Amino acid sequence: QQQVKQSPQSLIVQKGGISIINCAYENTAFDYFPWYQQFPGKGPALLIAIRPDVSEKKEGRFTISFNKSAKQFSLHIMDSQPGDSATYFCAASGAWDSGGGADGLTFGKGTHLIIQP
Amino acid sequence: GAGVSQSPRYKVAKRGQDVALRCDPISGHVSLFWYQQALGQGPEFLTYFQNEAQLDKSGLPSDRFFAERPEGSVSTLKIQRTQQEDSAVYLCASSFGVGGAGYGYTFGSGTRLTVV
Repeated sequence: QQQVKQSPQSLIVQKGGISIINCAYENTAFDYFPWYQQFPGKGPALLIAIRPDVSEKKEGRFTISFNKSAKQFSLHIMDSQPGDSATYFCAASGAWDSGGGADGLTFGKGTHLIIQP
Repeated sequence: GAGVSQSPRYKVAKRGQDVALRCDPISGHVSLFWYQQALGQGPEFLTYFQNEAQLDKSGLPSDRFFAERPEGSVSTLKIQRTQQEDSAVYLCASSFGVGGAGYGYTFGSGTRLTVV
């Protein structure tokens, strides 16, 4: 059972445009929702994250929108640049302060984003 | 070091061979995670250490997979009698926090294992 569903699988956006990637989760115990960026041959790097007590978080050109009732969250990349071309993963996990529990991240399958100059 | 270091970067193993993958986490990081990333997929959780204690190994796919972190720093993921389905990138991540991902992970660049 896939607990985090991500779409689209691939996305092509013109330079300067808005890139939008969507995720949906099933486990209501999740309360931490990060987005990771991965370049070829590299490990994922944390881009931005949100907790369910807020509906939106913005850091520079990157914004997460969160809809708790729908169990959905999305990443918006404003003014997309060729350097943003990468694979993006949404993820979810449980407790912030788990008191020793593992709470490993559950990842979506990824979105391959290409920004055309 | 400044980041999470993994070695080797690439490993080709013949089917049935044993392999050992090494992870050097960021100094002082308490939590250490191993993930498996198949081609074109997202990483999948394998196991978690808090210092030297392995608190969760629920993601290990079979008893051929074994991980250790004996002194609470360097960790080794061992795969015995490798099979073709073990081919993947194995990622290590560390965090200064205990448990919850909210403290943020730092991932290494991974070891790409190819079983032939």
